[in-house]
Amino acid sequence: QKEVEQNSGPLSVPEGAIASLNCTYSDRGSQSFFWYRQYSGKSPELIMSIYSNGDKEDGRFTAQLNKASQYVSLLIRDSQPSDSATYLCAATFDSNYQLIWGAGTKLIIKP
Amino acid sequence: GAVVSQHPSWVICKSGTSVKIECRSLDFQATTMFWYRQFPKQSLMLMATSNEGSKATYEQGVEKDKFLINHASLTLSTLTVTSAHPEDSSFYICSAPPPGQGTDTQYFGPGTRLTVL
Repeated sequence: QKEVEQNSGPLSVPEGAIASLNCTYSDRGSQSFFWYRQYSGKSPELIMSIYSNGDKEDGRFTAQLNKASQYVSLLIRDSQPSDSATYLCAATFDSNYQLIWGAGTKLIIKP
Repeated sequence: GAVVSQHPSWVICKSGTSVKIECRSLDFQATTMFWYRQFPKQSLMLMATSNEGSKATYEQGVEKDKFLINHASLTLSTLTVTSAHPEDSSFYICSAPPPGQGTDTQYFGPGTRLTVL
């Protein structure tokens, strides 16, 4: 069964520090990986996508993918209180756009 | 960027009634749309894949006769919760990938919060 796993948290990080979110997946055939941010009562919004091993940076966000170890992570530098949200990791296992979701990690940035 | 809208944004209904939720792609054509359900403090659960002009594909455990999906045009998919009960109260979200742009451009609607009394 294809699964994506995340620690539910909450993960508490002081403002200005680096927040590190991790995700593992079960299927080595996974092709694409995504990090979504979801505020309470809102739908998810895409933060980062990553397809190849290594790092991908976009502003304060860096996604890291290690296919050999089957994990993907998201680093948030200079964390802000507005980054407080639930972060959902998702992966696709085939080409039909269907996303397999992790349970999400609740991130709390403390001022 | 591409926009997906949902209507209504919230709805309260009595037990036993039916509720229709609309998902529209506003500036692109979506041959495929996904319907999700999310209970409080849980992740998204894919209910079904809606395909324009054909029958929806339901995930295991989702009752197709209770959650009716119609994708009659390239910009509109509807989810009808028939004979709703309190346990159907949830946050329903649709998403759509614009064709030919890859999986990372899947756009989400703002969601519909359903409360069944």
